[in-house]
Amino acid sequence: KNEVEQSPQNLTAQEGEFITINCSYSVGISALHWLQQHPGGGIVSLFMLSSGKKKHGRLIATINIQEKHSSLHITASHPRDSAVYICAGLNTDKLIFGTGTRLQVFP
Amino acid sequence: DTAVSQTPKYLVTQMGNDKSIKCEQNLGHDTMYWYKQDSKKFLKIMFSYNNKELIINETVPNRFSPKSPDKAHLNLHINSLELGDSAVYFCASRNRVATEAFFGQGTRLTVV
Repeated sequence: KNEVEQSPQNLTAQEGEFITINCSYSVGISALHWLQQHPGGGIVSLFMLSSGKKKHGRLIATINIQEKHSSLHITASHPRDSAVYICAGLNTDKLIFGTGTRLQVFP
Repeated sequence: DTAVSQTPKYLVTQMGNDKSIKCEQNLGHDTMYWYKQDSKKFLKIMFSYNNKELIINETVPNRFSPKSPDKAHLNLHINSLELGDSAVYFCASRNRVATEAFFGQGTRLTVV
């Protein structure tokens, strides 16, 4: 079992829908990253959070330390949001990655 | 003014060859990493250096040798390449005191 689990593995949505991706972890972490990777592309850090909630534009990330759970929400989804979203926990000096969620948003 | 830059972006080479991938960051970070992304897109740490010193080595074959000439550079040298080394390799950097990681654009290595 992976130390960082994500769900769902694959997600399709219609443009405009509200999207939630979940991340649970079983190891101690000091912070959690949400990362975005477009097909054939590099990895971009969307958020790093260690408590509470952060918001950038249409993206919202929350974390519950007690429950060892984080969520990434996308409001008013758009086809350009189609990508793989990866959560990663910072454990000591290294990131432990989830398996990723492949999101496709159709017009 | 790319923050973390890797070269080359693509590398195709034959089994048995030796190759290097270079990484440079201009963010003033003190910690740099190499991560490997397999064919299923799963990322796993290989190495981490802090101020030119190796701090993480995750049971990577010793054909892989990282070198950090200064804290802005972390290069990855691979000897005797094997088919199973084909993957995308990502360099990343951060400051050890709780800042987010920044990633390079990745190097797609194909061993034929």
